[in-house]
Amino acid sequence: GDSVTQMEGPVTLSEEAFLTINCTYTATGYPSLFWYVQYPGEGLQLLLKATKADDKGSNKGFEATYRKETTSFHLEKGSVQVSDSAVYFCALVRNAGGTSYGKLTFGQGTILTVHP
Amino acid sequence: GAGVSQTPSNKVTEKGKYVELRCDPISGHTALYWYRQSLGQGPEFLIYFQGTGAADDSGLPNDRFFAVRPEGSVSTLKIQRTERGDSAVYLCASSFGQGVGYNEQFFGPGTRLTVL
Repeated sequence: GDSVTQMEGPVTLSEEAFLTINCTYTATGYPSLFWYVQYPGEGLQLLLKATKADDKGSNKGFEATYRKETTSFHLEKGSVQVSDSAVYFCALVRNAGGTSYGKLTFGQGTILTVHP
Repeated sequence: GAGVSQTPSNKVTEKGKYVELRCDPISGHTALYWYRQSLGQGPEFLIYFQGTGAADDSGLPNDRFFAVRPEGSVSTLKIQRTERGDSAVYLCASSFGQGVGYNEQFFGPGTRLTVL
């Protein structure tokens, strides 16, 4: 079945440091890929997405590129802020005939803490 | 506008009891999803409704778990004879449903279930 593997955390960085959180996946066909974020005390929010190979998703300074050859979707940010402290989840959904449908499959999550 | 709401936010029950968890999706969203998130893990899919019918219930762990969506809006997740292993945060999400492209799933804040 489908699966998503994230780098183990937690990750602790100083403000303005470079961030990478690794994500690899196993899926049938060509899934759509996502990063979700869960800020303290809040619900899951979509951070960015990519729906086909070589697409780059970006939002709030975060980026991730869909790499089919390495089945990866690593999250990066050039300069993190204290407000980026949260739990980050990589996820996929299966595509069929151009439509993304049904369940999201999530990784286990990576806790990011950014210190001033 | 209003997001996905879930009630109660917290539920404490005793082993063997019956519980109901409610989800109010975003108005107009035809698809509704239930996920379960155990401590330190990513959300795991339980069931997905398209309108009133369960389009995919492959994630329900056993026959103690059941969900309904009788009018295609509000959904209730029902757990019979609760066990301590059922303790988790139960998340609900909704989306516009299937169509070409990706329909973003919007998550509620979750119900934290504790089985003593």
